Amino acid sequence: GAVVSQHPSWVICKSGTSVKIECRSLDFQATTMFWYRQFPKQSLMLMATSNEGSKATYEQGVEKDKFLINHASLTLSTLTVTSAHPEDSSFYICSARFQGRETQYFGPGTRLLVL
Amino acid sequence: QKEVEQNSGPLSVPEGAIASLNCTYSDRGSQSFFWYRQYSGKSPELIMFIYSNGDKEDGRFTAQLNKASQYVSLLIRDSQPSDSATYLCAVGSSNTGKLIFGQGTTLQVKP
Repeated sequence: GAVVSQHPSWVICKSGTSVKIECRSLDFQATTMFWYRQFPKQSLMLMATSNEGSKATYEQGVEKDKFLINHASLTLSTLTVTSAHPEDSSFYICSARFQGRETQYFGPGTRLLVL
Repeated sequence: QKEVEQNSGPLSVPEGAIASLNCTYSDRGSQSFFWYRQYSGKSPELIMFIYSNGDKEDGRFTAQLNKASQYVSLLIRDSQPSDSATYLCAVGSSNTGKLIFGQGTTLQVKP
């Protein structure tokens, strides 16, 4: 149980384009999902917390207009990187948790390369 | 002071030995503690969580928690080369409900 999927697993795009990443909880309802970014050899950096049916809460320093998050259902959250630039190239990982629980289950991640 | 601190390593142990990974945290109000394993190029996967002081065992893994001293550790018995990975300690924030991650300790198990 507690399986989280992400799609796509890899994306290469040109600078200036937008990229959408999906995060799905496959066998449970996730009231809260989290989006992280991880650069090589560094730890996870929380970008935002996404609650179903409400606006995402962004961490300090994360541009909400650049990283659009939508959590329209209890099993799906999306992250859209708008007008991507090479410095946005990173490993984006989502996680999800059950209502009332703190344990986070991670998706397999999405590698973004912006050329 | 970082909220969650881990020695980055690498920690190198021979195959079959016990690997001991340590983590200290600053939030005295934290009530939940997690260990995740992250293989190179992969996302983290949950190994164990612990809420109460003392030891919690699951197979070859034992998590130890001492809230008074604000540390949590992970012991891996009979270490295998497949255990070679980065181990992330995560602590539940008493204020925000988020998990605060340490930088991770890289474990190398040598055959």
